[in-house]
Amino acid sequence: TQLLEQSPQFLSIQEGENLTVYCNSSSVFSSLQWYRQEPGEGPVLLVTVVTGGEVKKLKRLTFQFGDARKDSSLHITAAQPGDTGLYLCAGARRGSQGNLIFGKGTKLSVKP
Amino acid sequence: DAGVIQSPRHEVTEMGQEVTLRCKPISGHNSLFWYRQTMMRGLELLIYFNNNVPIDDSGMPEDRFSAKMPNASFSTLKIQPSEPRDSAVYFCASSSWGGDDEAFFGQGTRLTVV
Repeated sequence: TQLLEQSPQFLSIQEGENLTVYCNSSSVFSSLQWYRQEPGEGPVLLVTVVTGGEVKKLKRLTFQFGDARKDSSLHITAAQPGDTGLYLCAGARRGSQGNLIFGKGTKLSVKP
Repeated sequence: DAGVIQSPRHEVTEMGQEVTLRCKPISGHNSLFWYRQTMMRGLELLIYFNNNVPIDDSGMPEDRFSAKMPNASFSTLKIQPSEPRDSAVYFCASSSWGGDDEAFFGQGTRLTVV
């Protein structure tokens, strides 16, 4: 059972376009993280959201945590080829001793 | 800090052989995780340790898989005997439990079993 569903699975867009990727679950998480992974490398943390309804911005990336802390979205404005990669969401549950549950990811390709 | 260090980066082995993957976590981190990543199943947690003690190994697929953490600075994941379906990228990650839960990943070991 996949506890965190990410959509879309694949996304190919042109440079300059906007996009949103989603991370959904029926479970409540104490926090949710977004990671970006490039080929041949391990995932690298982009942001952690903790409070329901929280919105965080990282340059052209906007992250939102759902009010019920079950879902999250990542919006990229004016995508650039350097944004290409696999975007993973990961949820932490209270009392889980740091154990993160990962979604399968959204593979983003931004063409020049 | 050099980050999480994994070795080897690539491993090609024949079916039936023993494979040992190694990980050095970030100094001071008290949690260590072993993940396996495939196209079909994504990133799966195999086992994790807190303060060198295995906490949850329910993700270990079979008895062929075993993991140890003899001290705070070293962990191994062993597959014996290896099978072609074990081919994947294996990641080690460490974090500071009780902190912000950020997991720092190594560069992974790409395992191919032929």
